[in-house]
Amino acid sequence: NAGVTQTPKFQVLKTGQSMTLQCAQDMNHNSMYWYRQDPGMGLRLIYYSASEGTTDKGEVPNGYNVSRLNKREFSLRLESAAPSQTSVYFCASSEARGSRSSYNEQFFGPGTRLTVL
Amino acid sequence: GIQVEQSPPDLILQEGANSTLRCNFSDSVNNLQWFHQNPWGQLINLFYIPSGTKQNGRLSATTVATERYSLLYISSSQTTDSGVYFCAVLYGNKLVFGAGTILRVKS
Repeated sequence: NAGVTQTPKFQVLKTGQSMTLQCAQDMNHNSMYWYRQDPGMGLRLIYYSASEGTTDKGEVPNGYNVSRLNKREFSLRLESAAPSQTSVYFCASSEARGSRSSYNEQFFGPGTRLTVL
Repeated sequence: GIQVEQSPPDLILQEGANSTLRCNFSDSVNNLQWFHQNPWGQLINLFYIPSGTKQNGRLSATTVATERYSLLYISSSQTTDSGVYFCAVLYGNKLVFGAGTILRVKS
């Protein structure tokens, strides 16, 4: 099992450019999440998808859109990148349903380091 | 919203020393996780511990949900323990992170 995978690992954009960050999980998890991590801070939730076909805003959704393509894949799109979106982006997933007591445990991908000039 | 506070913010240890990291949270939570972010940025799951005590090798964690805190113990620290330790609490259906404790273990 690869767990949670993210592409690309690194990206440099110019202000105003657009791009999509890709995330996939092979754990048959129901819920998926996008976070950003800024220097010296913990992670903050951008958007999440509780189940296939649903998406909801998190703490810092402005400037982003998401698509839950299928149960495995959850993408994050920056339509017009701004320097304030320079950050490390993490995708995560959790089972979020079931009889195991740890069904809410979240597992993280390796991150995408994005720089907007 | 919920507040998650970690202490200390920074910690320097000599290899072989023990340490205790603390996480306080301001409201009832459904879940608490401890993570280690290594120097390459990878987030590694350490414990899923909404209550009680768990141990995994040199690491152990205790969460006292009724008093709204959790502790992470690192014994016989090694240089590979260096990095940032985060606690995160599940509040509703959102995971809220503390600011982390930066740990440096010197040989």
